[in-house]
Amino acid sequence: DAGVIQSPRHEVTEMGQEVTLRCKPISGHDYLFWYRQTMMRGLELLIYFNNNVPIDDSGMPEDRFSAKMPNASFSTLKIQPSEPRDSAVYFCASAVHDNEQFFGPGTRLTVL
Amino acid sequence: SQKIEQNSEALNIQEGKTATLTCNYTNYSPAYLQWYRQDPGRGPVFLLLIRENEKEKRKERLKVTFDTTLKQSLFHITASQPADSATYLCALETAGANNLFFGTGTRLTVIP
Repeated sequence: DAGVIQSPRHEVTEMGQEVTLRCKPISGHDYLFWYRQTMMRGLELLIYFNNNVPIDDSGMPEDRFSAKMPNASFSTLKIQPSEPRDSAVYFCASAVHDNEQFFGPGTRLTVL
Repeated sequence: SQKIEQNSEALNIQEGKTATLTCNYTNYSPAYLQWYRQDPGRGPVFLLLIRENEKEKRKERLKVTFDTTLKQSLFHITASQPADSATYLCALETAGANNLFFGTGTRLTVIP
């Protein structure tokens, strides 16, 4: 298995633009997590899914952020409109229940 | 408020010595505690998981202890090597939940 796949690896955009981050979890994993990492706040959970259903989105900063998981092999995190304070590294991770999480390589987002 | 604190932002040790990293938490009742390693530009990688009813776990040169009375976990790397240089993150999972809360990490540098 190739592990968790994220795209793009780097994204530079201007304030106000829509940004879509993509994630393909490891096949057979029933949990998918979206995290954001910054120097100031560390690694923060944004939302997680179980069997494609959002379970906890309390970490999503505001309505500008949305996440979907239309099937077991694909998830998106969308920011619309983007702001400079959204600049961070966004990680996707997948897991089998109660086991370790496998992280993707991350997407480094820069909003100018 | 809930907090997960890792003893220091940075730790430097001499090659061959034992590195000890600390993770303290408040206002959590963790069912599991996990340790991850993160290298620059990469996602965290799982190292060890210890459950609340376990005192100690070992894996090769790694050892984790978990004291629910002190609300503390210690992470040891024996016979440290320069290749062990990385940021180490502790993470808690509470009973009934499936998401992790991460500490801010300790950046370990092993000096040859």
